[in-house]
Amino acid sequence: DVKVTQSSRYLVKRTGEKVFLECVQDMDHENMFWYRQDPGLGLRLIYFSYDVKMKEKGDIPEGYSVSREKKERFSLILESASTNQTSMYLCASSSSGLAGVGEQYFGPGTRLTVT
Amino acid sequence: AQKVTQAQTEISVVEKEDVTLDCVYETRDTTYYLFWYKQPPSGELVFLIRRNSFDEQNEISGRYSWNFQKSTSSFNFTITASQVVDSAVYFCALSEGDSGYSTLTFGKGTMLLVSP
Repeated sequence: DVKVTQSSRYLVKRTGEKVFLECVQDMDHENMFWYRQDPGLGLRLIYFSYDVKMKEKGDIPEGYSVSREKKERFSLILESASTNQTSMYLCASSSSGLAGVGEQYFGPGTRLTVT
Repeated sequence: AQKVTQAQTEISVVEKEDVTLDCVYETRDTTYYLFWYKQPPSGELVFLIRRNSFDEQNEISGRYSWNFQKSTSSFNFTITASQVVDSAVYFCALSEGDSGYSTLTFGKGTMLLVSP
């Protein structure tokens, strides 16, 4: 059974803290993605990676960075958390090639609250 | 630029009713893919279907069916004889090109509530 796991379901952090959100997939997928989901805005792509150590900005990368040192792990980093980064964060992965186009597997999400 | 519009924010139906979720997309590419994802209350998005721009055949899978019409840039999703377990947020999405790492542009989602 394919699986994408995220390190926490719920997280509460203080303004200014450095926050790490971890995502691990066990499907040997090349591509990994970080989204944030906000009411009324749907899912918005923050960053994605199509290979180890490779990263590409999505639609809303400001205030975030990512790290992919191993194929199965993709980390989202909030360098200095702010209240407007309170959101649900979703990680996803997909295989490369035509067969994997758009068919993303999602983790359960991390609900981050920044106070 | 690509865009996906789901005009229905929320739909409420009673069990056994049929319901159609609308999706309209915009793209300049001739090669693209359309998708539907389901997000149940547990939160994890689940892939339902992918359609490429060269295949306008409608698809049926059990109680689910999809109608793809390039002429109206629409990819609508119908649930026949809805059940309480169909209650979820449904997202339509678009991917341009056929690169192995094409990204998805999601609509804002339609929340479907099916009551007994």
